[in-house]
Amino acid sequence: DSGVTQTPKHLITATGQRVTLRCSPRSGDLSVYWYQQSLDQGLQFLIQYYNGEERAKGNILERFSAQQFPDLHSELNLSSLELGDSALYFCASSVSGGVSYNEQFFGPGTRLTVL
Amino acid sequence: AQSVTQLGSHVSVSEGALVLLRCNYSSSVPPYLFWYVQYPNQGLQLLLKYTSAATLVKGINDFEAEFKKSETSFHLTKPSAHMSDAAEYFCAVSRITQGGSEKLVFGKGTKLTVNP
Repeated sequence: DSGVTQTPKHLITATGQRVTLRCSPRSGDLSVYWYQQSLDQGLQFLIQYYNGEERAKGNILERFSAQQFPDLHSELNLSSLELGDSALYFCASSVSGGVSYNEQFFGPGTRLTVL
Repeated sequence: AQSVTQLGSHVSVSEGALVLLRCNYSSSVPPYLFWYVQYPNQGLQLLLKYTSAATLVKGINDFEAEFKKSETSFHLTKPSAHMSDAAEYFCAVSRITQGGSEKLVFGKGTKLTVNP
């Protein structure tokens, strides 16, 4: 158990809908990262927040957005969903913002299925 | 731009045999390199990382990796495979984004099967 929790574990929805994925980082971690894992794209970095502020952006679509709240939990919002958005979405957390020196601890993921 | 290539999407070994998972990187500057493991239905877990302190890096569960600049490689090895090592393994490199911050770039992954 990494200490990072993600809800829900599974989500099934229809095209065009909007969903929210939630992540609670390990106690004391200030940084939260979101990743998407799919068969065709592999594991891709989406976005990072550090202490409530956006820190780094990856291959995140404009239909996707995220935020980190004062209690440090984070939400990833996915809207106008398409079939291709079906994937496993991981959240990770680390103590501070630097990727090279701070180990990222991954949650178990949320599996999103868009029908 | 920094990236990694994992050679072999599937590797199969016998229990007790040597495990060798290959990773090559492309980077114009000395990179920071990582190996992660993903057990079935779980998130990723860091096995080890290279941050230029030593070329031979030891990680958890007897895994180690050697950074070879001349070969631009960072292969992962374990002397003797256990059934519990069956998982998917990802090599990753840190890359500086356009905004000046860092992100991890992952390889496609190698699925390791351990046969009894």
